[in-house]
Amino acid sequence: QITLKESGPTLVKPTQTLTLTCTFSGFSLSTSEVGVGWFRQSPGRALEWLALIYWDDDKRYSPSLKSRLTITKDTSKNQVVLTMTNMDPVDTATYFCAHASGGGNSCYFDHWGQGTLVTVSS
Amino acid sequence: DIVTTQSPDSLALSLGERATINCKSSQSLLYSSNNKNYLAWYQHKPGQPPKLLIYWASTRESGVPDRFSGSGSGTDFTLTISSLQAEDVAVYYCQQYYNTPYTFGQGTKLEIK
Repeated sequence: QITLKESGPTLVKPTQTLTLTCTFSGFSLSTSEVGVGWFRQSPGRALEWLALIYWDDDKRYSPSLKSRLTITKDTSKNQVVLTMTNMDPVDTATYFCAHASGGGNSCYFDHWGQGTLVTVSS
Repeated sequence: DIVTTQSPDSLALSLGERATINCKSSQSLLYSSNNKNYLAWYQHKPGQPPKLLIYWASTRESGVPDRFSGSGSGTDFTLTISSLQAEDVAVYYCQQYYNTPYTFGQGTKLEIK
């Protein structure tokens, strides 16, 4: 059974760096063709893909946020960490991590964490 | 970036009616080498994570009721709910995974009339 859970601060100040951790079970990120992605949904807006890391440490980022994002994995801890620098109130959103399936470098997302709400405010 | 556009933005139907949601992509999502369309559909209810319904445009995820079906190829796709149930009230999103950046449609809000 695959499960994922996001953790991190619920409140960050503008200009600060956000660090979110996705802790998962039921799969290994050392297994071929496995990946974990990060997404967010701001109030009243659509889902937005942020970043993805594959079993082979290949990393993909949303071009609009690439300069602010870093995704890493710790295979021994079954964790994926997303950092986002220079946070702004417009980054207030619920952040999700999800297990990627599909094979190769094109993935749909079949298991999702519950999400964590991050508010950016001074 | 591939742009995916859904229609309509919202839909209000009676219980038992058929719901049809469309998704159009700015370029073909059909990969010729394997004849697969790289499009997924998700259901998103408030306070819950998105739920995968359909992948490869028409493959139903395990456990998804068979009233949900996906169709289409290339740039035009459809999610159909054959007989609307109360628990189907949600926002539905299409997502292309042909290449990164992965992109979602703007969402279609489905309500009961």
